[in-house]
Amino acid sequence: SAVISQKPSRDICQRGTSLTIQCQVDSQVTMMFWYRQQPGQSLTLIATANQGSEATYESGFVIDKFPISRPNLTFSTLTVSNMSPEDSSIYLCSVDLQNYGYTFGSGTRLTVV
Amino acid sequence: GENVEQHPSTLSVQEGDSAVIKCTYSDSASNYFPWYKQELGKRPQLIIDIRSNVGEKKDQRIAVTLNKTAKHFSLHITETQPEDSAVYFCAASRGGGDNAGNMLTFGGGTRLMVKP
Repeated sequence: SAVISQKPSRDICQRGTSLTIQCQVDSQVTMMFWYRQQPGQSLTLIATANQGSEATYESGFVIDKFPISRPNLTFSTLTVSNMSPEDSSIYLCSVDLQNYGYTFGSGTRLTVV
Repeated sequence: GENVEQHPSTLSVQEGDSAVIKCTYSDSASNYFPWYKQELGKRPQLIIDIRSNVGEKKDQRIAVTLNKTAKHFSLHITETQPEDSAVYFCAASRGGGDNAGNMLTFGGGTRLMVKP
């Protein structure tokens, strides 16, 4: 399977600030997916990032709050903007690999204080 | 869109017993059903998956069954061990392993505790 590198692994941020999370894959993929996992909860899809076009956001998530970049087929960033304590979660990137299936980055544990 | 329901939310078994986790889905176009194991503080790890063209798949102590007509699928773990203790998630998608960009929809998760 491919290697997905995600950073930072964790951060503690002040409310009102922004954090950008990076996801790097060692093979080219069509789509990259960004998930949020709130404490003790399941994974919820934030958006799907396709190279060369605007990301597609799921209901309840908006571009102003979670801007995404996808400059090439191996890299994406998710920014959590104007953070509040409710944004404290684990954020995970994911890709669907040929003949393997969906695999996840190591996650970013975000705490907003 | 797809909706995946997972039961039970918690499951406690004695070491050596079997554990069964069940999921239902709503989208009849879903054809790929993976299961993930997530240990505390770690990323979800794919443990087994099944596609809609088969009804059962087995890998050592783990098996998954699929009933497309009823839109439900189940994870079976036999001879459970303490290291099986984790949160398990089922998921459904219209494709997987094809790099086609289909999204995964997750069930709510099952916390499995295996008592030694």
